[in-house]
Amino acid sequence: EAQVTQNPRYLITVTGKKLTVTCSQNMNHEYMSWYRQDPGLGLRQIYYSMNVEVTDKGDVPEGYKVSRKEKRNFPLILESPSPNQTSLYFCASSSQGSTNEKLFFGSGTQLSVL
Amino acid sequence: AQSVTQLDSQVPVFEEAPVELRCNYSSSVSVYLFWYVQYPNQGLQLLLKYLSGSTLVKGINGFEAEFNKSQTSFHLRKPSVHISDTAEYFCAVSEPGGYQKVTFGTGTKLQVIP
Repeated sequence: EAQVTQNPRYLITVTGKKLTVTCSQNMNHEYMSWYRQDPGLGLRQIYYSMNVEVTDKGDVPEGYKVSRKEKRNFPLILESPSPNQTSLYFCASSSQGSTNEKLFFGSGTQLSVL
Repeated sequence: AQSVTQLDSQVPVFEEAPVELRCNYSSSVSVYLFWYVQYPNQGLQLLLKYLSGSTLVKGINGFEAEFNKSQTSFHLRKPSVHISDTAEYFCAVSEPGGYQKVTFGTGTKLQVIP
């Protein structure tokens, strides 16, 4: 089954404790992206990747890091989480990253930073 | 720069009644338009998209949307809603060319009342 898998589903942590949210897709997609979803703000793009070793900032990259060492994986790293990073995070992918393609989304990771 | 406005944050509607979820966009060039649906505790799924051609687009689960260039709108409609349509709906816009830069609206929560 074609899917985007995120882990963990829920995560509670404390300020300053480094964490990683994993994302994996099994569709051989070139493009992968991270979004955060906040009430009243919709989805905002954090980082995206057009291919292995190619990443770039989205609209809200501050406080986040990403890497793309393998085509299927695109982890999101919070080196020193802060309470304003409490949010619902989604990983997404598409075949080529063209603007007319549909995005495939993971089920989300609810992060709470205390 | 592209933007999307979903004026209604919540829309309650009785089961089997028709519904329209409004979406207006802003862009200086031609656009691609999308509607995504997010069921509780799930990621977003594509309902339908407009790329070009016929302005009436049909999607999954009986939904359709009409692209109106003069009014810069892409409203989503369904003639008769079911309880299972209870979800949050996101309108999104992108511009031809370049990478997968999709801008999402803030979402409309559709609550179907039995």
